[in-house]
Amino acid sequence: EDKVVQSPLSLVVHEGDTVTLNCSYEVTNFRSLLWYKQEKKAPTFLFMLTSSGIEKKSGRLSSILDKKELSSILNITATQTGDSAIYLCAVDRQTGANNLFFGTGTRLTVIP
Amino acid sequence: NAGVMQNPRHLVRRRGQEARLRCSPMKGHSHVYWYRQLPEEGLKFMVYLQKENIIDESGMPKERFSAEFPKEGPSILRIQQVVRGDSAAYFCASSRGGGSNQPQHFGDGTRLSIL
Repeated sequence: EDKVVQSPLSLVVHEGDTVTLNCSYEVTNFRSLLWYKQEKKAPTFLFMLTSSGIEKKSGRLSSILDKKELSSILNITATQTGDSAIYLCAVDRQTGANNLFFGTGTRLTVIP
Repeated sequence: NAGVMQNPRHLVRRRGQEARLRCSPMKGHSHVYWYRQLPEEGLKFMVYLQKENIIDESGMPKERFSAEFPKEGPSILRIQQVVRGDSAAYFCASSRGGGSNQPQHFGDGTRLSIL
């Protein structure tokens, strides 16, 4: 059975801290891994990772995929209160169906 | 707003009624996906549609749920004879194509509450 596991489930940090969120997967026919940020509304697309070892960066956020370890990390440096959200990891499989298989997310709270 | 548009944002129904949820994809996107999010759970895939075609409905409950994406107009997720367990947030996503370089972009969701 396909699985996407995120850790930690929740995290509380102070502004300015650096955080690392983890995502591990066991799926058949892996195609890509995606990270989303969900505040109160729509999950907002952050990154799509298809190749191992290539870091993707956007401002204070960065992410990398390790296909050997079947995992990915999402780093946020110099955290701000606006980073408080649920961070979702999802895997896209080569089934032709294009449906995303999501983990349950990591709830990040950044306190001033 | 050129994003994925869902309406209504909130929908309240009594048990046994029908719920209709609408989704207009982003401009230029022809692939639509519906997901359900139960409290404290991750998003679960329900159905994937292209214009006038259901491509994959492996995540849809076998009864009471149906989806369409007509040639004109929004995609509709329809739930007949709703029950309390249908209470959830229903998210729609769209993508330009179905390839590996086409991320899905999500709407704000419809929060369905069943009384």
